[in-house]
Amino acid sequence: AQSVTQLDSQVPVFEEAPVELRCNYSSSVSVYLFWYVQYPNQGLQLLLKYLSGSTLVKGINGFEAEFNKSQTSFHLRKPSVHISDTAEYFCAVSETNSGYALNFGKGTSLLVTP
Amino acid sequence: DTGVSQNPRHKITKRGQNVTFRCDPISEHNRLYWYRQTLGQGPEFLTYFQNEAQLEKSRLLSDRFSAERPKGSFSTLEIQRTEQGDSAMYLCASSLVGVGGYTFGSGTRLTVV
Repeated sequence: AQSVTQLDSQVPVFEEAPVELRCNYSSSVSVYLFWYVQYPNQGLQLLLKYLSGSTLVKGINGFEAEFNKSQTSFHLRKPSVHISDTAEYFCAVSETNSGYALNFGKGTSLLVTP
Repeated sequence: DTGVSQNPRHKITKRGQNVTFRCDPISEHNRLYWYRQTLGQGPEFLTYFQNEAQLEKSRLLSDRFSAERPKGSFSTLEIQRTEQGDSAMYLCASSLVGVGGYTFGSGTRLTVV
């Protein structure tokens, strides 16, 4: 069975500072990896995804993530955050043969302050 | 493309009542998924459809939960005899087969009192 661990439940950061949100997964088979963002009382918006190919994936709003197979990680980064990046961020994994059902982590709350 | 639409946005019901939620996916998407999200947790997969066929339903939370997608377009999720523990956000998502990652709706927030 697969699982997803988001190592930080909350990450406070100052505006314009860099940020990294950590995600580790476990699976015995090939996986697809995703990061979603959720603003209050809204659904989830896809930030980026890794399906195959280059391990460095660029997404929307200046976010990027790197797939590290040996460390089973898919950490999300942004070099300079804005107040508007304050939200809940979810890492998700699907096994490539699962019909794309996603297994989510518990989320990381990013709080950007001036 | 108006995105994934879910109705109602909010539902308050008394314990023991039945509730039904509707999801309208992106029109060209052939897969439709239902998730449940409780406070402070990530979404939890419930079931999914490819066209009108329900391909996975073993993770529905109990036999009080059922879903349909009768014509391969919109879907409904029904909860019978609601309990307070059913209070949560119910999310719908849709995708195309072979394309990783999908589009979520804004969800239906259920409160059971």
